[in-house]
Amino acid sequence: AQKVTQAQTEISVVEKEDVTLDCVYETRDTTYYLFWYKQPPSGELVFLIRRNSFDEQNEISGRYSWNFQKSTSSFNFTITASQVVDSAVYFCALRIDTGRRALTFGSGTRLQVQP
Amino acid sequence: EADIYQTPRYLVIGTGKKITLECSQTMGHDKMYWYQQDPGMELHLIHYSYGVNSTEKGDLSSESTVSRIRTEHFPLTLESARPSHTSQYLCASSGERETSYEQYFGPGTRLTVT
Repeated sequence: AQKVTQAQTEISVVEKEDVTLDCVYETRDTTYYLFWYKQPPSGELVFLIRRNSFDEQNEISGRYSWNFQKSTSSFNFTITASQVVDSAVYFCALRIDTGRRALTFGSGTRLQVQP
Repeated sequence: EADIYQTPRYLVIGTGKKITLECSQTMGHDKMYWYQQDPGMELHLIHYSYGVNSTEKGDLSSESTVSRIRTEHFPLTLESARPSHTSQYLCASSGERETSYEQYFGPGTRLTVT
């Protein structure tokens, strides 16, 4: 069975601070995909990034960066110079490449960015 | 941009009523999913479908039912709503190609049963 753990329930930072959201996953499958989604107060889930298990290259997209480390089963997400608009709940998710291919979600981290 | 739609966005209904939450996508995706999101934020899979005439129950037991008569349409029905069904319901779809492995989500239906 798969499991995703987001140990940080809520994080509060002041605008322009950097913040890292942690994600640890468990799976016995060798091929899997990791995702981050953002859920703003409006409620929809917005896809941010997907990483394949065979590609450990870190990725940067503007103020967002992701650090994937198979050795520690972690897929952490860093927001540089946070902004008020970054306030949302962020979910890490895992999907294996067999069966129903549904997402297993972490419990989410609520990020509050204060002005 | 994902083309997946859910209606209604918000629904307040009395106990015992039958309701259907609509979900449709225009991306031609074979796989579709329903997730239930508790007020405490966790999302749980309640139904999924591999394609037309294929439906399966997910991890979280649900009294709802689903149908998949057309590729683009995946409605969820509650025969008799109860206050315990109050939640947000999110529909998603995904394709088979490498470029479409991510699941795209609809805007959700926030259901309140009084």
